[in-house]
Amino acid sequence: DIVMTQTPLSSPVTLGQPASISCRSSQSLVHSDGNTYLSWLQQRPGQPPRLLIYKISNRFSGVPDRFSGSGTGTDFTLKISRVEAEDVGVYYCMQATQFPYTFGQGTKLEIK
Amino acid sequence: EVQLVQSGAEVKKPGESLKISCKGSGYSFTSYWIGWVRQMPGKGLEWMGIIYPGDSDTRYSPSFQGQVTISADKSISTAYLQWSSLKASDTAMYYCARHEYYDSTGTPAKYFQHWGQGTLVTVSS
Repeated sequence: DIVMTQTPLSSPVTLGQPASISCRSSQSLVHSDGNTYLSWLQQRPGQPPRLLIYKISNRFSGVPDRFSGSGTGTDFTLKISRVEAEDVGVYYCMQATQFPYTFGQGTKLEIK
Repeated sequence: EVQLVQSGAEVKKPGESLKISCKGSGYSFTSYWIGWVRQMPGKGLEWMGIIYPGDSDTRYSPSFQGQVTISADKSISTAYLQWSSLKASDTAMYYCARHEYYDSTGTPAKYFQHWGQGTLVTVSS
């Protein structure tokens, strides 16, 4: 299985300040078709996960442009340019390059 | 509108069997894979497995192979997750989600966009 490792596991951030979450995979996520199937999801308390970013950097419809994704191969980053109160929750990276799909452990974003 | 509606919360005893469901609507149920994800209390997301209702092709995570059975009944657009003998450690929230293979532009993209509301399973003596 591909192991996904996120850092940090907890991120206290001041409102209006940026936040960054790292995700590293145990092997390259480049698929044989040339695409990298790395997505980011947000889970607010008491809710199912919500898709934010797919294929490293593609922002899903309706996701605010303060969210951005980057990276290549085995190292990926989710950035929030200016954290808002509604961004509180847990963020997961997920690889869909190879079965079984796997998630990172999650990063809890909280407001200082 | 695409919807995945899961069955209600369950409270079971160790050793009992259980089958929970995920009903899809608003799309062609047989054309999209449906995945299952576990979330134990206060913990992260774990990918369990996935099924293609069109032909019942199923893939399991090794961590869950032999522990659960994923199935689907395309005649009623419903996917299932079942246990033959529950353990206390099966206590968790379970989510189903629809797997997309292409984005809105038709470009290959694998992700889970639509999620069920979750089914809470509690196993306690």
